[in-house]
Amino acid sequence: EPEVTQTPSHQVTQMGQEVILRCVPISNHLYFYWYRQILGQKVEFLVSFYNNEISEKSEIFDDQFSVERPDGSNFTLKIRSTKLEDSAMYFCASSGGTEAFFGQGTRLTVV
Amino acid sequence: QQPVQSPQAVILREGEDAVINCSSSKALYSVHWYRQKHGEAPVFLMILLKGGEQKGHEKISASFNEKKQQSSLYLTASQLSYSGTYFCGTEATDSWGKFQFGAGTQVVVTP
Repeated sequence: EPEVTQTPSHQVTQMGQEVILRCVPISNHLYFYWYRQILGQKVEFLVSFYNNEISEKSEIFDDQFSVERPDGSNFTLKIRSTKLEDSAMYFCASSGGTEAFFGQGTRLTVV
Repeated sequence: QQPVQSPQAVILREGEDAVINCSSSKALYSVHWYRQKHGEAPVFLMILLKGGEQKGHEKISASFNEKKQQSSLYLTASQLSYSGTYFCGTEATDSWGKFQFGAGTQVVVTP
């Protein structure tokens, strides 16, 4: 069964460093999403991506964040100058138009 | 504007029924329901697109009242495997592609 894969599964980084979270969506999907879930809290929408550009983004998705689809398969989330409060589980999801499939997430820990 | 879910938590005995509600202040294009088990990614249950539509997944069904901008998820004859946190995700008509999740409803099914 096709699945969304995310790497790494866990990343620890020092405050102020840049991180890149990687996602490989399901191959024929056109809609891609990044979500964040702080431990014990709800899933928060960050950004949606369609047709090689951002279609919607939340208030959380400020200049610190950027997304790219560098090679037609990977979908990346870059977080610049990480802060302690960026520690969370980051989920990537892809959709062919209806059902969204989530990856297993990357746990980001900023120390 | 994130949707409002109720109740926050519910404890059921195996075989009992429960209803989880999700309401929005905005006109909705779609409602998605997901279940998340502890430490895992959210798993898609169903999507509702039309007013009054009802869908089912095993003994879990949902309805979408477009006029009232709300959806309800029905857990019928609950099984132990239904335990988890249920999230509704809404997509408003004026922000297609941007999903907002509710705070979640924790469901615990006991033997």
